[in-house]
Amino acid sequence: EVQLVESGGRLVQIGGSLRLSCAASGFNFDEYDMNWVRQAPGKGLEWLSHIPTRGDSIDYADSVKGRFTISRDNARNSLFLQLTSLRAEDTATYYCVRSSSWYYLDYWGQGTLVTVSS
Amino acid sequence: DIQMTQSPSTLSASVGDRVTITCRASQTIHSYLAWYQHKPGKAPKLLIYKASSLQTGVPSRFSGSGYATEFTLTISDLQPDDFAVYFCQHFHTYPYTFGQGTKLEI
Repeated sequence: EVQLVESGGRLVQIGGSLRLSCAASGFNFDEYDMNWVRQAPGKGLEWLSHIPTRGDSIDYADSVKGRFTISRDNARNSLFLQLTSLRAEDTATYYCVRSSSWYYLDYWGQGTLVTVSS
Repeated sequence: DIQMTQSPSTLSASVGDRVTITCRASQTIHSYLAWYQHKPGKAPKLLIYKASSLQTGVPSRFSGSGYATEFTLTISDLQPDDFAVYFCQHFHTYPYTFGQGTKLEI
């Protein structure tokens, strides 16, 4: 069974930093591209970033480019998102999401909540 | 960026009904569209990919259609478990974008 479990979300001050993690199991992690997607309270879903299997050719949404960094450790079956220069509008539930071989998003974690406040 | 416009934002229905949700893309995305079901506190669940392909394990009362810029998700014979929020999403190019969501309520 595919499982994606996010962790690291917490209350952080405006301008602060945070590192989110995602532990993957139930599939060969190094064979799949991965993504982060978020949902702010009462808002829709926002795709943030994509990382291929070998960590090259990374993509970011304009809203987080230069502030967030996606990475992966295939030996540890883990995905990461480093968040810096956090703003109040970054408050959201952050989801770790697997890409299928056709690049649609096929499995999602349950999310981790990041709250950015002064 | 490709914009996805989803309607309606809220849909009221009853068990046994058939409902349709529409998603429109700002430019052609061919068949690169997926539909998801999302319940509070749970992981979003993939229902349909490539516009009309049913994800393994999803009941056949869910169906998708469309091409280029106009797409629909149809749920036949609504069941109590189907009351949730539904999102469309294109996977044509990055950045992927989502529709605003449709809340299906009793």
